[in-house]
Amino acid sequence: GENVEQHPSTLSVQEGDSAVIKCTYSDSASNYFPWYKQELGKGPQLIIDIRSNVGEKKDQRIAVTLNKTAKHFSLHITETQPEDSAVYFCASIDTGTASKLTFGTGTRLQVTL
Amino acid sequence: DVKVTQSSRYLVKRTGEKVFLECVQDMDHENMFWYRQDPGLGLRLIYFSYDVKMKEKGDIPEGYSVSREKKERFSLILESASTNQTSMYLCASLTWDSEKLFFGSGTQLSVL
Repeated sequence: GENVEQHPSTLSVQEGDSAVIKCTYSDSASNYFPWYKQELGKGPQLIIDIRSNVGEKKDQRIAVTLNKTAKHFSLHITETQPEDSAVYFCASIDTGTASKLTFGTGTRLQVTL
Repeated sequence: DVKVTQSSRYLVKRTGEKVFLECVQDMDHENMFWYRQDPGLGLRLIYFSYDVKMKEKGDIPEGYSVSREKKERFSLILESASTNQTSMYLCASLTWDSEKLFFGSGTQLSVL
């Protein structure tokens, strides 16, 4: 089955700096890669996703890049703010055959003032 | 907005007890999921259901069962709770024409 590795497990940045979280996946048939953000006391919430026919996608301060050849994708957050502090999960799925997402192990991002 | 509601935010049970975790969604989603979240292990799928009375095992179904008698409700059952089932449990729902999961706020279960 699919295996998703996520790094780093914790990340501390100063407000205004950029943060990058990286994931690798094993199944070359995977074609959909979402990122979820989990704030304290809440369930994860989808913040951005990318499909395998696209190399990069941006939404304001967050962007995701995908390298299908290397089987890795990354989340980039620019101009970080305290409200970006949360746990971030990457995930992957082959939407053609699989019925469930495989999640990474999570990254705890701390944005310090 | 889709709302996925889990009946309890915190739950404390004793070893050997039968435990029910309830989840209700209000958007008529066909698919529902139960995950457990443990530090360093991410989200692991326990069971999912794609229709009423249908269920499929996820990656870690041992020690758990589920029930889906109505479309909006998906229950996770721990037949005989053990200390290694102490965890955060997250319910989620999904409709057929989207890959976007909607999660509840979670139930932190402690088994003593």
